[in-house]
Amino acid sequence: GAGVSQTPSNKVTEKGKYVELRCDPISGHTALYWYRQSLGQGPEFLIYFQGTGAADDSGLPNDRFFAVRPEGSVSTLKIQRTERGDSAVYLCASSPGSSGANVLTFGAGSRLTVL
Amino acid sequence: AQKVTQAQTEISVVEKEDVTLDCVYETRDTTYYLFWYKQPPSGELVFLIRRNSFDEQNEISGRYSWNFQKSTSSFNFTITASQVVDSAVYFCALSEARRGASKIIFGSGTRLSIRP
Repeated sequence: GAGVSQTPSNKVTEKGKYVELRCDPISGHTALYWYRQSLGQGPEFLIYFQGTGAADDSGLPNDRFFAVRPEGSVSTLKIQRTERGDSAVYLCASSPGSSGANVLTFGAGSRLTVL
Repeated sequence: AQKVTQAQTEISVVEKEDVTLDCVYETRDTTYYLFWYKQPPSGELVFLIRRNSFDEQNEISGRYSWNFQKSTSSFNFTITASQVVDSAVYFCALSEARRGASKIIFGSGTRLSIRP
């Protein structure tokens, strides 16, 4: 597509529930990144994919968080047993992926609220 | 480990004033990239500029200019003759220079408010 698309734009859930957030990157972009942004903070790195594989998942806070990108395009961030502290805006970005110089194009984010 | 520090949490100036946003970084890499992104009130992060660690030339683009000093590990951003539309949160970021994609670390941001 023309830009990075994230769905849903807003998600309200109850503590303990399972949530999936979807990212559709720019067509042809091989690198895909997930960040989490809390109010008043900068984007916090979670994971990035180069193609289908997770190249670096060192930012995932714990084993309740998991992300996949099975066909090297769309990615899903999965959060199990959500906690109130998971409330944040989850940002997805993509880049051509050919080098560390690549510029990220961000989506509008998915705002997650855990009650 | 890589780290980006933006010590200025918020800055407020009157329109037409010049303003400088500071960015200090830490990395063990000898080759790396630095970026500035803008996040307007609408929320979506927008790329402004990229520099590589071998290019210390200052850059000017219209009212925007960037001062990269490797000796002090700083990559500061100056807006000349600020305008209300410049109001946003600005983030400095750092990535490794390597073949293939790379982890990109962001600072905590500086919220800039331009008063009319």
